[in-house]
Amino acid sequence: TQLLEQSPQFLSIQEGENLTVYCNSSSVFSSLQWYRQEPGEGPVLLVTVVTGGEVKKLKRLTFQFGDARKDSSLHITAAQTGDTGLYLCAGGGETSYDKVIFGPGTSLSVIP
Amino acid sequence: NAGVTQTPKFQVLKTGQSMTLQCAQDMNHNSMYWYRQDPGMGLRLIYYSASEGTTDKGEVPNGYNVSRLNKREFSLRLESAAPSQTSVYFCASIRFEGNYGYTFGSGTRLTVV
Repeated sequence: TQLLEQSPQFLSIQEGENLTVYCNSSSVFSSLQWYRQEPGEGPVLLVTVVTGGEVKKLKRLTFQFGDARKDSSLHITAAQTGDTGLYLCAGGGETSYDKVIFGPGTSLSVIP
Repeated sequence: NAGVTQTPKFQVLKTGQSMTLQCAQDMNHNSMYWYRQDPGMGLRLIYYSASEGTTDKGEVPNGYNVSRLNKREFSLRLESAAPSQTSVYFCASIRFEGNYGYTFGSGTRLTVV
């Protein structure tokens, strides 16, 4: 059974600080996605990484896919209060019949 | 706005009652999914429909049924609600060809008392 673990589970930081959250598995994934979910809303896709070692940047967010395609990290530079939310990683789904596995999420709170 | 629409947004049921959660997408996506989200458990797949006319069980299908009514609509039915089905339910869709990420609806918060 494929499993995704995320760390830390909770993170509370001051506005302006940097942070990194991690997504790990013992399984190889064909692709990995990161989502952000705000209270009362559904998850919103931030990025998809598909190549081992790939790095993608989305403004102050940097996503990296591990060389072995078993892990990923999300780094946020100079966090803002608008970054507050639940960050979910998800892996798999090579075809429409494959199931995508979600990690339990990292709950980030950015304090003004 | 294009996206995934879920109804209702909130619902309270008594144990044993039935209800259907509705989901529709207007992005011409092929695949649609139902997830439930519980604290500490993450998102768990209930059922999915890889294409119009097909449905398959996910990780936690017991107590649920689904219908892929057409390419746009995918409904989730609880025949006899139980307190263990108290959760937030999300519908999602994906185009797949060249697009690996889901588009989610805003969720249905269901409480079974």
